[in-house]
Amino acid sequence: AQSVTQLDSQVPVFEEAPVELRCNYSSSVSVYLFWYVQYPNQGLQLLLKYLSGSTLVESINGFEAEFNKSQTSFHLRKPSVHISDTAEYFCAVSSMNRDDKIIFGKGTRLHILP
Amino acid sequence: DAGVIQSPRHEVTEMGQEVTLRCKPISGHDYLFWYRQTMMRGLELLIYFNNNVPIDDSGMPEDRFSAKMPNASFSTLKIQPSEPRDSAVYFCASSSNRDFSYEQYFGPGTRLTVT
Repeated sequence: AQSVTQLDSQVPVFEEAPVELRCNYSSSVSVYLFWYVQYPNQGLQLLLKYLSGSTLVESINGFEAEFNKSQTSFHLRKPSVHISDTAEYFCAVSSMNRDDKIIFGKGTRLHILP
Repeated sequence: DAGVIQSPRHEVTEMGQEVTLRCKPISGHDYLFWYRQTMMRGLELLIYFNNNVPIDDSGMPEDRFSAKMPNASFSTLKIQPSEPRDSAVYFCASSSNRDFSYEQYFGPGTRLTVT
């Protein structure tokens, strides 16, 4: 079975400052990794994913995450945040078995300070 | 495509009443998931279907909860009788096995309040 730990429930950061949202996972098998974002009063939407290949993956709005197998981590970073990045971010993991469910972390709420 | 459609968006009901939440997945998607989100417990997977067949219902909290998927374009989650602790946002999501992206597409959710 897989599990996901998001170490911070809330992260405040000033606008235009860099941010890192931490995610660690546990699994006895190879995994796929995801970051989903939930804007206020909306459902979750996929931000980026790691399935295979390059360990550094990027989103269209400037976020990136690096799969680190030795540290079992998939931290999310952005060099300069904007007020529009205010949202809750969920790290998720799934085994490579197609019928296995995706396990979501408890989420990290990103607060952008003016 | 209109995305995943959920109805109603908001539901307020009294304890003991039956509640039915509805979901229309994206056309062509063969997986459908029901989640519950609360401040205390975060996002919980309740049940998921593949090709209209329930695969894993281990997250369904108790017998008061039931879910059906009579066809590829419709699913329901029913709570009978409802209790105040069922108050939460319920999300439906769907995905496709064919594109190998493993991405789940979430609906806007149903906010349930049981008084």
